Amino acid sequence: AQSVAQPEDQVNVAEGNPLTVKCTYSVSGNPYLFWYVQYPNRGLQFLLKYITGDNLVKGSYGFEAEFNKSQTSFHLKKPSALVSDSALYFCAVSENTGFQKLVFGTGTRLLVSP
Amino acid sequence: SQTIHQWPATLVQPVGSPLSLECTVEGTSNPNLYWYRQAAGRGLQLLFYSVGIGQISSEVPQNLSASRPQDRQFILSSKKLLLSDSGFYLCAWSARSRNNQPQHFGDGTRLSIL
Repeated sequence: AQSVAQPEDQVNVAEGNPLTVKCTYSVSGNPYLFWYVQYPNRGLQFLLKYITGDNLVKGSYGFEAEFNKSQTSFHLKKPSALVSDSALYFCAVSENTGFQKLVFGTGTRLLVSP
Repeated sequence: SQTIHQWPATLVQPVGSPLSLECTVEGTSNPNLYWYRQAAGRGLQLLFYSVGIGQISSEVPQNLSASRPQDRQFILSSKKLLLSDSGFYLCAWSARSRNNQPQHFGDGTRLSIL
C-alpha cells in the first residue's frame, strides 16, 4: 500500500526567502504525486502534479516541485515566499494502475513572516 | 469550467440525530466522486468513493453511508450521529477517464455534534 510522509509539522520562512516543504513517499511501482494547499475553512486546492517526464514540475502561484526517484521524495519549493503563501500544504500519492485513490500526508503548515 | 458545491457549510447536530450532506458537480460528466473526513485541520481520511450511479465503495467501516442517486450528485448520510462523527467533511471529484488527473475539492462542511 502507498504512503506519504511530511516530516515537518510547520515550516517558518521570512517573506522573500526561498521555501521548501518536504515530502517522501512509498508505492509499489511508479507513483503519481500531487501537492495541494488548504486555506482556513476551505477545501484543498490543487497546485501541481508529477506523472512522468521532467523531474522538475511547475505549478500554480510560482510553486514547483522536484521529483527524486532514488530518494523517493517530492519536495515543494518556491524561490521567493509571500505572506499570502501561509497555509496548510498536503502531499499526496497514488499508484499509476487501477482506480485512483489518493493517500495524503498529514500536512505541513507554512508560516511566512513579513 | 467545472465546479463543485457542498452544503451546508456548517452544521450543528445533536447526538443521535440523522445527517445528510450533499455534493454536486457541474461542468463534467461521469466523474469519480469522493467523500473525505478531515480531523483537527490535518490529515484526510477517505470515507467513500464512487465510479458511477449507485456504485459506492466504503473505505472505513463506520456510522456513515453514501449514495449517488445521479451522475453528479453524491450524498453522505447517517441514521444516528455519534460524537466521533464531528469533523470537516470534504467532497471531491476527478475525471474518470484518466488515473493521473487531480482530485478537485469542494469547500467542505464543518459538522459539530453536541
